[in-house]
Amino acid sequence: EPEVTQTPSHQVTQMGQEVILRCVPISNHLYFYWYRQILGQKVEFLVSFYNNEISEKSEIFDDQFSVERPDGSNFTLKIRSTKLEDSAMYFCASSEQGVGELFFGEGSRLTVL
Amino acid sequence: ILNVEQSPQSLHVQEGDSTNFTCSFPSSNFYALHWYRWETAKSPEALFVMTLNGDEKKKGRISATLNTKEGYSYLYIKGSQPEDSATYLCAIWKGNAGNMLTFGGGTRLMVKP
Repeated sequence: EPEVTQTPSHQVTQMGQEVILRCVPISNHLYFYWYRQILGQKVEFLVSFYNNEISEKSEIFDDQFSVERPDGSNFTLKIRSTKLEDSAMYFCASSEQGVGELFFGEGSRLTVL
Repeated sequence: ILNVEQSPQSLHVQEGDSTNFTCSFPSSNFYALHWYRWETAKSPEALFVMTLNGDEKKKGRISATLNTKEGYSYLYIKGSQPEDSATYLCAIWKGNAGNMLTFGGGTRLMVKP
């Protein structure tokens, strides 16, 4: 069964360092997303991506964040200069249709020290 | 900011009990509601995608109803089993909110054998 895969599963970094989280969405899906969950809080939308460009982004997704689909299979989230408050579980998801069900990866836990 | 509320936050039931929980959301510009099941250390998995007022969907012992006019959805589990233990998330697509899904805080269900 096709699935969304994410790497790394856990990353620990120092404040101010750059982090790249990687995702391989399901191959025939066209819509890609990043969500995050800070411990004890709701799952929050970060960004959606379609047709090689950002289609929607939240207030959280500021200039420190960027996304890329460099090679037609990977979908990456980069945080340029991490802050303590970026510590969270980051989930990648993909969907076939714009409002269809999302298929999530197992998440990448980011700890910023 | 779109507010999606789920209640209760957590629920302990005995095996064999039937249970239900609620998702409430602003009814204006409603487009679709998703229910996801999220087991610990796994990725959220879609249960239902619902769009029409009065919609009722069923998957095995789990069913859901939708009232878009008053802004709520119920998820029912009949004859709970320990393997139903998970967090159940609802999420809303709004018609005027672009390509993003807004999640509620989830209901954590624990089924005791």
